[in-house]
Amino acid sequence: NAGVTQTPKFRILKIGQSMTLQCTQDMNHNYMYWYRQDPGMGLKLIYYSVGAGITDKGEVPNGYNVSRSTTEDFPLRLELAAPSQTSVYFCASSSGQYLANYGYTFGSGTRLTVV
Amino acid sequence: QQPVQSPQAVILREGEDAVINCSSSKALYSVHWYRQKHGEAPVFLMILLKGGEQKGHDKISASFNEKKQQSSLYLTASQLSYSGTYFCGTGGSNDYKLSFGAGTTVTVRA
Repeated sequence: NAGVTQTPKFRILKIGQSMTLQCTQDMNHNYMYWYRQDPGMGLKLIYYSVGAGITDKGEVPNGYNVSRSTTEDFPLRLELAAPSQTSVYFCASSSGQYLANYGYTFGSGTRLTVV
Repeated sequence: QQPVQSPQAVILREGEDAVINCSSSKALYSVHWYRQKHGEAPVFLMILLKGGEQKGHDKISASFNEKKQQSSLYLTASQLSYSGTYFCGTGGSNDYKLSFGAGTTVTVRA
Protein backbone atom coordinates (compact mmCIF):
# COMPACT_ATOMS: atom_id res chain seq x y z
CA ASN A 1 0.00 0.00 0.00
CA ALA A 2 1.18 3.52 -0.81
CA GLY A 3 -0.48 5.04 2.31
CA VAL A 4 -0.76 8.85 2.05
CA THR A 5 0.78 10.40 -1.05
CA GLN A 6 1.50 14.12 -1.33
CA THR A 7 2.60 16.04 -4.41
CA PRO A 8 4.65 18.03 -5.12
CA LYS A 9 7.49 17.49 -2.64
CA PHE A 10 8.96 20.94 -3.19
CA ARG A 11 7.62 24.16 -4.72
CA ILE A 12 8.66 27.79 -4.98
CA LEU A 13 5.85 30.26 -5.55
CA LYS A 14 5.93 33.98 -6.20
CA ILE A 15 3.82 36.28 -4.06
CA GLY A 16 0.26 36.39 -5.38
CA GLN A 17 0.43 33.08 -7.26
CA SER A 18 -1.92 30.21 -6.51
CA MET A 19 -1.39 26.46 -6.32
CA THR A 20 -2.97 23.22 -5.20
CA LEU A 21 -1.24 20.73 -2.94
CA GLN A 22 -2.43 17.24 -3.71
CA CYS A 23 -3.11 14.51 -1.13
CA THR A 24 -4.34 10.99 -1.85
CA GLN A 25 -4.75 8.01 0.47
CA ASP A 26 -5.48 4.41 -0.46
CA MET A 27 -6.47 3.10 2.98
CA ASN A 28 -10.18 4.01 2.73
CA HIS A 29 -9.82 6.35 5.70
CA ASN A 30 -12.72 8.69 6.37
CA TYR A 31 -10.74 11.29 8.31
CA MET A 32 -8.21 13.51 6.58
CA TYR A 33 -6.25 16.54 7.73
CA TRP A 34 -3.94 19.30 6.56
CA TYR A 35 -1.30 20.61 8.96
CA ARG A 36 1.48 23.12 8.47
CA GLN A 37 4.79 22.99 10.29
CA ASP A 38 6.97 26.07 10.62
CA PRO A 39 10.69 25.69 11.50
CA GLY A 40 11.18 24.50 15.08
CA MET A 41 7.46 24.51 15.70
CA GLY A 42 4.72 21.97 16.12
CA LEU A 43 1.93 21.15 13.71
CA LYS A 44 -0.92 23.60 13.23
CA LEU A 45 -4.23 22.33 11.82
CA ILE A 46 -5.41 24.12 8.69
CA TYR A 47 -8.48 22.13 7.61
CA TYR A 48 -9.89 18.69 8.19
CA SER A 49 -12.56 16.40 6.76
CA VAL A 50 -14.60 13.61 8.32
CA GLY A 51 -15.83 12.22 5.03
CA ALA A 52 -16.51 12.99 1.38
CA GLY A 53 -18.34 16.30 1.05
CA ILE A 54 -17.65 17.37 4.65
CA THR A 55 -14.87 19.79 5.59
CA ASP A 56 -14.22 22.13 8.50
CA LYS A 57 -11.73 24.78 9.52
CA GLY A 58 -8.84 24.18 11.88
CA GLU A 59 -6.72 26.68 13.81
CA VAL A 60 -5.15 28.51 10.84
CA PRO A 61 -7.49 28.35 7.80
CA ASN A 62 -7.00 31.89 6.43
CA GLY A 63 -5.55 31.93 2.93
CA TYR A 64 -6.44 28.29 2.23
CA ASN A 65 -9.35 26.31 0.83
CA VAL A 66 -10.11 22.59 0.63
CA SER A 67 -12.56 20.24 -1.00
CA ARG A 68 -13.32 16.54 -0.49
CA SER A 69 -15.23 15.09 -3.43
CA THR A 70 -13.99 11.52 -2.87
CA THR A 71 -12.82 9.46 0.10
CA GLU A 72 -9.33 9.23 -1.40
CA ASP A 73 -8.50 12.84 -2.26
CA PHE A 74 -8.18 15.95 -0.11
CA PRO A 75 -6.48 18.79 -2.04
CA LEU A 76 -5.41 22.03 -0.36
CA ARG A 77 -5.67 25.24 -2.39
CA LEU A 78 -3.54 28.30 -1.73
CA GLU A 79 -4.92 31.50 -3.23
CA LEU A 80 -2.76 34.64 -3.52
CA ALA A 81 0.34 33.16 -1.88
CA ALA A 82 2.06 35.25 0.82
CA PRO A 83 5.51 34.86 2.45
CA SER A 84 3.75 33.86 5.70
CA GLN A 85 2.63 30.68 3.93
CA THR A 86 6.21 29.48 3.58
CA SER A 87 6.11 26.23 5.50
CA VAL A 88 6.11 22.44 5.29
CA TYR A 89 2.63 21.07 4.70
CA PHE A 90 1.61 17.62 5.89
CA CYS A 91 -1.49 15.72 4.92
CA ALA A 92 -2.65 12.97 7.28
CA SER A 93 -5.44 10.42 7.47
CA SER A 94 -7.03 8.29 10.16
CA SER A 95 -9.61 5.52 10.15
CA GLY A 96 -11.00 5.95 13.64
CA GLN A 97 -13.74 8.01 15.11
CA TYR A 98 -12.84 10.19 18.10
CA LEU A 99 -9.18 9.25 17.78
CA ALA A 100 -9.61 6.58 20.45
CA ASN A 101 -7.76 3.72 18.85
CA TYR A 102 -6.25 4.94 15.62
CA GLY A 103 -3.24 7.13 14.98
CA TYR A 104 -2.60 9.39 12.05
CA THR A 105 -0.75 8.25 8.96
CA PHE A 106 1.16 11.20 7.53
CA GLY A 107 2.26 11.90 3.98
CA SER A 108 5.89 12.80 3.30
CA GLY A 109 5.15 16.53 3.17
CA THR A 110 5.36 19.42 0.71
CA ARG A 111 8.01 22.06 1.33
CA LEU A 112 6.65 25.38 0.03
CA THR A 113 8.60 28.62 -0.26
CA VAL A 114 6.88 31.89 -1.20
CA VAL A 115 9.22 34.59 -2.50
CA GLN B 1 -5.68 24.69 22.69
CA GLN B 2 -2.21 23.27 22.14
CA PRO B 3 -0.57 21.06 24.78
CA VAL B 4 2.71 22.14 26.36
CA GLN B 5 5.73 19.87 26.05
CA SER B 6 8.85 19.88 28.21
CA PRO B 7 11.76 19.92 27.92
CA GLN B 8 12.26 21.58 24.52
CA ALA B 9 15.41 19.56 23.90
CA VAL B 10 17.47 16.84 25.53
CA ILE B 11 20.87 15.36 24.73
CA LEU B 12 21.62 11.80 25.81
CA ARG B 13 24.42 9.29 25.56
CA GLU B 14 23.50 5.82 24.36
CA GLY B 15 22.03 3.82 27.21
CA GLU B 16 20.75 6.81 29.19
CA ASP B 17 17.10 7.43 30.06
CA ALA B 18 14.89 10.47 29.45
CA VAL B 19 11.35 11.63 30.21
CA ILE B 20 9.28 13.93 28.02
CA ASN B 21 6.15 15.54 29.45
CA CYS B 22 2.99 16.72 27.71
CA SER B 23 0.47 18.83 29.64
CA SER B 24 -2.91 20.23 28.72
CA SER B 25 -5.23 22.78 30.33
CA LYS B 26 -8.14 21.06 28.59
CA ALA B 27 -9.70 17.77 29.76
CA LEU B 28 -7.95 14.98 27.92
CA TYR B 29 -9.40 11.80 26.52
CA SER B 30 -6.57 10.60 24.32
CA VAL B 31 -2.89 11.38 23.98
CA HIS B 32 -0.95 10.35 20.89
CA TRP B 33 2.84 10.25 20.61
CA TYR B 34 4.73 10.65 17.32
CA ARG B 35 8.40 10.77 16.38
CA GLN B 36 9.75 12.81 13.46
CA LYS B 37 13.22 12.30 12.00
CA HIS B 38 14.83 15.30 10.33
CA GLY B 39 13.27 16.01 6.94
CA GLU B 40 10.72 13.22 7.28
CA ALA B 41 7.07 12.90 8.22
CA PRO B 42 5.98 12.19 11.81
CA VAL B 43 5.49 8.51 12.58
CA PHE B 44 2.87 7.23 15.00
CA LEU B 45 4.25 5.58 18.17
CA MET B 46 1.31 4.96 20.51
CA ILE B 47 -2.00 6.16 21.93
CA LEU B 48 -2.95 6.48 25.58
CA LEU B 49 -6.56 6.76 26.62
CA LYS B 50 -8.11 8.16 29.77
CA GLY B 51 -8.43 5.28 32.20
CA GLY B 52 -6.25 3.07 30.02
CA GLU B 53 -3.06 1.22 30.75
CA GLN B 54 0.50 2.37 30.30
CA LYS B 55 1.66 1.54 26.79
CA GLY B 56 5.00 0.49 25.38
CA HIS B 57 6.78 0.42 22.04
CA ASP B 58 10.16 -1.32 22.17
CA LYS B 59 11.92 0.45 25.10
CA ILE B 60 9.75 3.54 24.74
CA SER B 61 6.77 3.64 27.08
CA ALA B 62 4.23 6.24 28.16
CA SER B 63 1.77 6.96 30.93
CA PHE B 64 -1.35 9.13 31.33
CA ASN B 65 -1.95 11.02 34.60
CA GLU B 66 -5.62 12.00 34.60
CA LYS B 67 -5.40 14.19 37.71
CA LYS B 68 -2.61 16.30 36.23
CA GLN B 69 -3.99 16.15 32.63
CA GLN B 70 -0.51 15.10 31.64
CA SER B 71 1.20 12.33 29.72
CA SER B 72 4.85 11.33 30.02
CA LEU B 73 6.97 9.50 27.44
CA TYR B 74 9.85 7.40 28.82
CA LEU B 75 12.91 6.63 26.70
CA THR B 76 14.73 3.78 28.42
CA ALA B 77 18.29 2.69 27.60
CA SER B 78 18.29 5.05 24.63
CA GLN B 79 19.65 4.00 21.25
CA LEU B 80 21.01 6.14 18.41
CA SER B 81 17.80 5.41 16.50
CA TYR B 82 15.77 7.24 19.17
CA SER B 83 17.07 10.60 17.94
CA GLY B 84 14.38 12.85 16.50
CA THR B 85 11.64 15.23 17.56
CA TYR B 86 8.84 13.80 19.67
CA PHE B 87 5.38 15.32 19.48
CA CYS B 88 2.37 14.71 21.64
CA GLY B 89 -1.08 15.16 20.13
CA THR B 90 -4.10 15.57 22.37
CA GLY B 91 -7.84 15.30 21.89
CA GLY B 92 -11.02 15.43 23.91
CA SER B 93 -13.66 12.70 23.98
CA ASN B 94 -15.64 14.25 21.11
CA ASP B 95 -12.72 15.38 18.97
CA TYR B 96 -12.03 14.20 15.45
CA LYS B 97 -8.69 16.01 15.36
CA LEU B 98 -5.49 16.39 17.37
CA SER B 99 -3.75 19.47 18.74
CA PHE B 100 0.02 19.03 18.76
CA GLY B 101 2.66 20.30 21.14
CA ALA B 102 5.73 22.20 19.89
CA GLY B 103 7.88 19.07 20.15
CA THR B 104 10.89 17.84 22.12
CA THR B 105 14.12 17.29 20.19
CA VAL B 106 16.06 14.27 21.40
CA THR B 107 19.68 13.78 20.38
CA VAL B 108 21.33 10.49 21.30
CA ARG B 109 25.11 10.40 20.98
CA ALA B 110 27.44 7.40 20.92
